[in-house]
Amino acid sequence: SAVISQKPSRDICQRGTSLTIQCQVDSQVTMMFWYRQQPGQSLTLIATANQGSEATYESGFVIDKFPISRPNLTFSTLTVSNLSPEDSSIYLCSVARTGDSYEQYFGPGTRLTVT
Amino acid sequence: LAKTTQPISMDSYEGQEVNITCSHNNIATNDYITWYQQFPSQGPRFIIQGYKTKVTNEVASLFIPADRKSSTLSLPRVSLSDTAVYYCLVGNNAGNMLTFGGGTRLMVKP
Repeated sequence: SAVISQKPSRDICQRGTSLTIQCQVDSQVTMMFWYRQQPGQSLTLIATANQGSEATYESGFVIDKFPISRPNLTFSTLTVSNLSPEDSSIYLCSVARTGDSYEQYFGPGTRLTVT
Repeated sequence: LAKTTQPISMDSYEGQEVNITCSHNNIATNDYITWYQQFPSQGPRFIIQGYKTKVTNEVASLFIPADRKSSTLSLPRVSLSDTAVYYCLVGNNAGNMLTFGGGTRLMVKP
């Protein structure tokens, strides 16, 4: 398994501003993912962030809105830019070990409220 | 892309065995089946993963029939603390493993 921490745990931001979320893993992992979960809903994958390559975004998510950095094998950031109330959500990072299948380990999430 | 279908919700009582079934008719040959548990205000937690037949760990059992078009997560003797949302994912390291369906909201009553 892996221990994952996220900062901040929650934040309230004004519309038009940006929030950068940090994800720290206690071991080196190749594959890291960012998800969004709206209250009472399931998780939606935003992007895959593998070290040494550009992030791969899912349909409906663009780099200008959700820029991602992955400077090393234990850390990543997700920025949510030009915030609107629709961005109010929980943002989670996860990691997975390579192999035939994914076992994902999730961080505790960052609860973002946009006013 | 294998789509999964789970019951939206289930109720149970403490001490009972709970079986949650997930349908995945379009499962591919190299797909695995993975179940996660999520408590409120927490990230999902890996429970169990299997490819075929039966897998058991200290938390749950996963039953997969020969045609692999469905799977059943079995939680023995549930307690109130098992109240959570349970997600079934189907895929492999090609990336399909990352799609969460609606999940099953399990409520365990005293």
